[in-house]
Amino acid sequence: EPEVTQTPSHQVTQMGQEVILRCVPISNHLYFYWYRQILGQKVEFLVSFYNNEISEKSEIFDDQFSVERPDGSNFTLKIRSTKLEDSAMYFCASSLRLMTEAFFGQGTRLTVV
Amino acid sequence: KNEVEQSPQNLTAQEGEFITINCSYSVGISALHWLQQHPGGGIVSLFMLSSGKKKHGRLIATINIQEKHSSLHITASHPRDSAVYICAAVRMNYGGSQGNLIFGKGTKLSVKP
Repeated sequence: EPEVTQTPSHQVTQMGQEVILRCVPISNHLYFYWYRQILGQKVEFLVSFYNNEISEKSEIFDDQFSVERPDGSNFTLKIRSTKLEDSAMYFCASSLRLMTEAFFGQGTRLTVV
Repeated sequence: KNEVEQSPQNLTAQEGEFITINCSYSVGISALHWLQQHPGGGIVSLFMLSSGKKKHGRLIATINIQEKHSSLHITASHPRDSAVYICAAVRMNYGGSQGNLIFGKGTKLSVKP
């Protein structure tokens, strides 16, 4: 069964460092999303991406964040200068069309120290 | 006030019991997801529905658009059903052309043998 794959599963980084979280969405899907979940809190929407551009983003997705689909298969989330409060589980998801079911990756746990 | 509210927050059941988890939302939506999150953190999509009822094995999801309410039922519950169940609404923004997920806080289900 096709699945969304995220790497790494866990990343520890020092405050101020740049991190790139990687996702391989399901191959024929057209819409891509990033979400985050701070420990003990609910999942929050970060950004949606379609046709090589951001289609919607939340207030959380500030200038420190960027997304890219560099090669037609990967979908990356970059955090330029990490802060302690960026520590969270980051989920990638993809869907075939806009209002169809979204499939989630297993998440990347980011720890900023 | 949260746009998506779930109840109960925590639920403990005995194996075999019928379980109901409720979700109410206050925004206009095009569809609603029920998701399952296991202790390791990964998220699995159970259902996406925009009207009526869907069934998959022992899981049943219903939605009443007029009442802005959805329920997830588990029949003949089993310890392996223990997880956090999350309701997520697909919001239609003002333009009606895009959507993203608004998550509830989740219901932590524990099924005892």
